[in-house]
Amino acid sequence: AQSVTQLGSHVSVSEGALVLLRCNYSSSVPPYLFWYVQYPNQGLQLLLKYTTGATLVKGINGFEAEFKKSETSFHLTKPSAHMSDAAEYFCAGKLTFGQGTILTVHP
Amino acid sequence: GAVVSQHPSWVICKSGTSVKIECRSLDFQATTMFWYRQFPKQSLMLMATSNEGSKATYEQGVEKDKFLINHASLTLSTLTVTSAHPEDSSFYICSAGQLTYEQYFGPGTRLTVT
Repeated sequence: AQSVTQLGSHVSVSEGALVLLRCNYSSSVPPYLFWYVQYPNQGLQLLLKYTTGATLVKGINGFEAEFKKSETSFHLTKPSAHMSDAAEYFCAGKLTFGQGTILTVHP
Repeated sequence: GAVVSQHPSWVICKSGTSVKIECRSLDFQATTMFWYRQFPKQSLMLMATSNEGSKATYEQGVEKDKFLINHASLTLSTLTVTSAHPEDSSFYICSAGQLTYEQYFGPGTRLTVT
């Protein structure tokens, strides 16, 4: 069974700084990998997904993630954080979710 | 993107009563829906997979007699928590799935059992 691990339950960055949220997966088959964002009192929204093809995946709101098979990683990045990026982020496989990372952006 | 709604968004019930939560796909037909439970500051835990017109498939450890799932149409799946107890208090989330496992999530239902 596929498992997903997010490193760091809380990440804090300054506005304008690089955002890096880490995700590693465990699987013996080509994965389906997703990043979702959850704002307070809202449902999860899809940020981006990787199924096949290009390993660098671009999503909404300036986020992107790179599938690295050799490292079994799918880290989420954004070059410059905005205050509106503050939320909880979930890395997910087929039907398995990581523990979530709360992103705080301070002025 | 596809829109999934849940009703109610928040419900309080007394111990021993049953509560029904509805999950609707508003602008597409969902042959498969998923039900999750999310504990505070924890991740989503898959409870069951609901397929239209057939019995739901429950994950190990989930009591099928306690959490009744019905997927009677391509736009509606319901989760009924029977004989609710305080330990059933949680945030319940449904989603509609695609073949690629991309999911569209409802906003969730917060259940409080007193």
